[in-house]
Amino acid sequence: QKEVEQNSGPLSVPEGAIASLNCTYSDRGSQSFFWYRQYSGKSPELIMFIYSNGDKEDGRFTAQLNKASQYVSLLIRDSQPSDSATYLCAVRDTGGFKTIFGAGTRLFVKA
Amino acid sequence: NAGVTQTPKFQVLKTGQSMTLQCAQDMNHNSMYWYRQDPGMGLRLIYYSASEGTTDKGEVPNGYNVSRLNKREFSLRLESAAPSQTSVYFCASSEPGHNTDTQYFGPGTRLTVL
Repeated sequence: QKEVEQNSGPLSVPEGAIASLNCTYSDRGSQSFFWYRQYSGKSPELIMFIYSNGDKEDGRFTAQLNKASQYVSLLIRDSQPSDSATYLCAVRDTGGFKTIFGAGTRLFVKA
Repeated sequence: NAGVTQTPKFQVLKTGQSMTLQCAQDMNHNSMYWYRQDPGMGLRLIYYSASEGTTDKGEVPNGYNVSRLNKREFSLRLESAAPSQTSVYFCASSEPGHNTDTQYFGPGTRLTVL
């Protein structure tokens, strides 16, 4: 059973701080990795995807990928109360059309 | 451009009743998916359709059936609802190879089985 593991949290950070969210995955052959944000009672929406080792930056968000360690992370700089949500890590299954989701990390940004 | 739409938004069923959840997308995507989301469990794939005319089981298919009616529509049917199927159901669509298969989600259906 291919797995994606995340710390469920909650992770609490003060406004303006850096929030660091982590994810590990079991399928060593995976090539595509995603971070989705889900506000309470809403559907998931994509924040970033990454498929090369290293860092990918988009505004206040940076995704980091280390395939050797099977590790993906998301950094949120200058965290805002509006960033308070559950963040889902997702990994594309190498065997087909499926994407495996982690259970999510709840983030609270305190004003 | 509505994206992915789902009906109904809320539903309460009694054990043993049947119902169909409807999903439609207007993004001309080839692939469509049904997930369920339970507290602490994340999103679990029920069924998916890689392209029109094909469907395949996901992680938790028991108790469900699907129909890919056409490229736009993908329905999920519960033949005999059970309390264990109380969940939030999300439909999603994607275009494999575009943005490395980003999935776009509908607003969800909140189902309670008594």
